[in-house]
Amino acid sequence: EVSLVESGGAVVQPGGSLRLSCAASGFTFSTYDMNWARQAPGKGLEWISYINSRGNTIYYADSVKGRFTISRNNAKKSLYLQMNSLTDEDTAVYFCSRSLSEWLPDDYWGQGTLVTVSS
Amino acid sequence: DVQMTQSPSSLSASVGDRVTITCRASQSINNYLNWYQQKPGKAPKLLIYAASSLQSGVPSRFSGSGSGTDFTLTISSLQPEDFATYYCQQSFIARTFGQGTKVETK
Repeated sequence: EVSLVESGGAVVQPGGSLRLSCAASGFTFSTYDMNWARQAPGKGLEWISYINSRGNTIYYADSVKGRFTISRNNAKKSLYLQMNSLTDEDTAVYFCSRSLSEWLPDDYWGQGTLVTVSS
Repeated sequence: DVQMTQSPSSLSASVGDRVTITCRASQSINNYLNWYQQKPGKAPKLLIYAASSLQSGVPSRFSGSGSGTDFTLTISSLQPEDFATYYCQQSFIARTFGQGTKVETK
């Protein structure tokens, strides 16, 4: 059974850093592209980053470019999101998802991990 | 960047109603348009991909149409489990979501 489990969410102070992880199981992780999206409390979904299966094509939303870094370790079947210079606008539930290609949809999603930026 | 404009932002409907949600892209995205359903506290669920292809396991009362810049999600006969928020997403250039449409009970 396909499973994506996010972890690493926490309460962090403004200006702080956090690293999220997404553990994959039940499918061949190394053949899938991966994405991060987030959802602020009571708001809609916002896509924030994409990485292809080999890790050599990466995109970011303007809202996180220069502050967030996506990466993956295919041997560990894990996806990561390094978040720096956090502001209260980064408070959200962060979801990871998979897709077969850059143009195909995200067919499985994790349940999300909550990041709260607050002093 | 491709902007996605979804309408309406919310609607009230009854079980059995036909429901239509529209999504407009700021530039042509061919048919790289996907629709998701999200319930409170849950992850999004893929309903429709490539504008009109039904994801496996999704009831046939859900359908999608459109190409280029204008797209539609239709629920032919609303069921109690369909009250949720629906999002369009373009996957032509990176990804962008519409702002969502909340389907509420009338």
